[in-house]
Amino acid sequence: GAVVSQHPSWVICKSGTSVKIECRSLDFQATTMFWYRQFPKQSLMLMATSNEGSKATYEQGVEKDKFLINHASLTLSTLTVTSAHPEDSSFYICSALGLANEQFFGPGTRLTVL
Amino acid sequence: AQTVTQSQPEMSVQEAETVTLSCTYDTSESDYYLFWYKQPPSRQMILVIRQEAYKQQNATENRFSVNFQKAAKSFSLKISDSQLGDAAMYFCAYVYSGGGADGLTFGKGTHLIIQP
Repeated sequence: GAVVSQHPSWVICKSGTSVKIECRSLDFQATTMFWYRQFPKQSLMLMATSNEGSKATYEQGVEKDKFLINHASLTLSTLTVTSAHPEDSSFYICSALGLANEQFFGPGTRLTVL
Repeated sequence: AQTVTQSQPEMSVQEAETVTLSCTYDTSESDYYLFWYKQPPSRQMILVIRQEAYKQQNATENRFSVNFQKAAKSFSLKISDSQLGDAAMYFCAYVYSGGGADGLTFGKGTHLIIQP
């Protein structure tokens, strides 16, 4: 299957700072990528849909000004958590959309906000 | 809005035995895909099996098979000859296939324990 990478795999930051997470599709071009959040011992929740060259679509309840998404190329989408607070600590997972609605997932990024 | 329900928070099975994980979903759409994903402790999501709603035949992938009952909106996963490496969280997921690119809706997951 296709390979999707995420960087960093783990980040610790101070409250009030911003953190950028990168999601790359390594061997195929992805017009659409998705960002999910997973709290401990919970399921994945869709945060937003990232479309190359256009604005992201956010799910209800997700603050678009707090979670900035940029999909500037067919292989890279970034999620920036602005003014992070401890409640933003979570596991963030991206996926890239392939053929026949199959999504290829990155390994995830663990964010800890102190 | 669509929902996915996994009613078994945890299941345990003896190695080499068969186990079935349950999943039900609710949607008003007729065109969709259903998936089972495995998430081991590494937290990497791994696709186990997928089912297109328009296909009546149940999908199979080696030791993994599904029982897809469209009218009942049920999509269970059967794992045969369970192996220690099957231990993981299993998530059932749904996506509408008729509207372009949609994100997945996941169930809450089932923690599968394999007893040696």
